[in-house]
Amino acid sequence: QKEVEQNSGPLSVPEGAIASLNCTYSDRGSQSFFWYRQYSGKSPELIMSIYSNGDKEDGRFTAQLNKASQYVSLLIRDSQPSDSATYLCAVNKWNTGFQKLVFGTGTRLLVSP
Amino acid sequence: DVKVTQSSRYLVKRTGEKVFLECVQDMDHENMFWYRQDPGLGLRLIYFSYDVKMKEKGDIPEGYSVSREKKERFSLILESASTNQTSMYLCASSFNRESLYGYTFGSGTRLTVV
Repeated sequence: QKEVEQNSGPLSVPEGAIASLNCTYSDRGSQSFFWYRQYSGKSPELIMSIYSNGDKEDGRFTAQLNKASQYVSLLIRDSQPSDSATYLCAVNKWNTGFQKLVFGTGTRLLVSP
Repeated sequence: DVKVTQSSRYLVKRTGEKVFLECVQDMDHENMFWYRQDPGLGLRLIYFSYDVKMKEKGDIPEGYSVSREKKERFSLILESASTNQTSMYLCASSFNRESLYGYTFGSGTRLTVV
């Protein structure tokens, strides 16, 4: 089992729809969760962080965390073609004295006009 | 905003060359990381450092070494470049050992070894 799992996609949604991206993780001790957006040929950019169960909203983005189910999701409302990118889920993991982030392989999102 | 700067955006090197990739961050972050990213394989950690002159192996350290002589600078060295090291290399930094605020990535170096 991978430490952080994401469906590779592509996830195709029409412009204006809600895109739902999902991520599961294996380490029950994880406390910090992040979503990164990566455009083709560019580096990952942090767009959301979440630390407690429930929802966290920032503009059109909502991160959802369910620690009991070891599940993190990212909702993008009113999807735009400019949201087309790969979205990486990252989860912290303790490793001999400090934490590292473990990344999923990403879900590719395609938003069609 | 934290800025992580990688010295080169694109590099082409010959097999067997010694290659240096430089990374500088400007916000006094303690931790620095080097990843490579390949299609279908995601981000793979090569080395990281949580303090000056300290280094730790990541998941794929073979064929690489690192140097951190100053807090703001973390260098990745390919001792003898090979074609299977053709990849996108990403440097990242984080504030402290807890990395509570996530990582900030540099813009990446696309290395081609011919």
